[in-house]
Amino acid sequence: GAVVSQHPSRVICKSGTSVKIECRSLDFQATTMFWYRQFPKQSLMLMATSNEGSKATYEQGVEKDKFLINHASLTLSTLTVTSAHPEDSSFYICSATNRGVYEQYFGPGTRLTVT
Amino acid sequence: GQNIDQPTEMTATEGAIVQINCTYQTSGFNGLFWYQQHAGEAPTFLSYNVLDGLEEKGRFSSFLSRSKGYSYLLLKELQMKDSASYLCAVRDSKAAGNKLTFGGGTRVLVKP
Repeated sequence: GAVVSQHPSRVICKSGTSVKIECRSLDFQATTMFWYRQFPKQSLMLMATSNEGSKATYEQGVEKDKFLINHASLTLSTLTVTSAHPEDSSFYICSATNRGVYEQYFGPGTRLTVT
Repeated sequence: GQNIDQPTEMTATEGAIVQINCTYQTSGFNGLFWYQQHAGEAPTFLSYNVLDGLEEKGRFSSFLSRSKGYSYLLLKELQMKDSASYLCAVRDSKAAGNKLTFGGGTRVLVKP
């Protein structure tokens, strides 16, 4: 199957700083990428849908000014958590898909800890 | 919106069979997925159903009834490594870009 990578796999940052997470599709062009957040023992919650070259569509309750998403190319999307706080500590997972493909391919996830 | 329900936890014995049920309500059904997720890892794809019936893939099978808004994932010949969370996800035809909505996940514990 298709391969999606995320970087970094783990990051610890101080409260008030910003963190950028990269999501790359390694062997296919991803017209759409999704960003999810998962708290311990909970399921994946969709944060936003990102289409290449256009603004991301955020889910209700997700602050677009806090979670900046950029999908500048068909193989890269970035999520920047701005002014991070301890409550933003979570597992962030991206997925990628392409037109005509029913499956979403998930990245390995990024564990963010805000101290 | 969508509402997806699945049991929170299930326990089974190694070598046995476990069935995980998932019920959903959606305005425009366009496919149901099952994913396996081990703790601290990303989900991995198990199965996809868009038409009614049973899809079999090795030890795992998935069933769908669109009229009942119901699916199940069947795990046979359970192995210890099958201990994981199993996520049911539904795609809504009225949502842009293949957006999926996930259920809460079912944690399966396989005991020796």
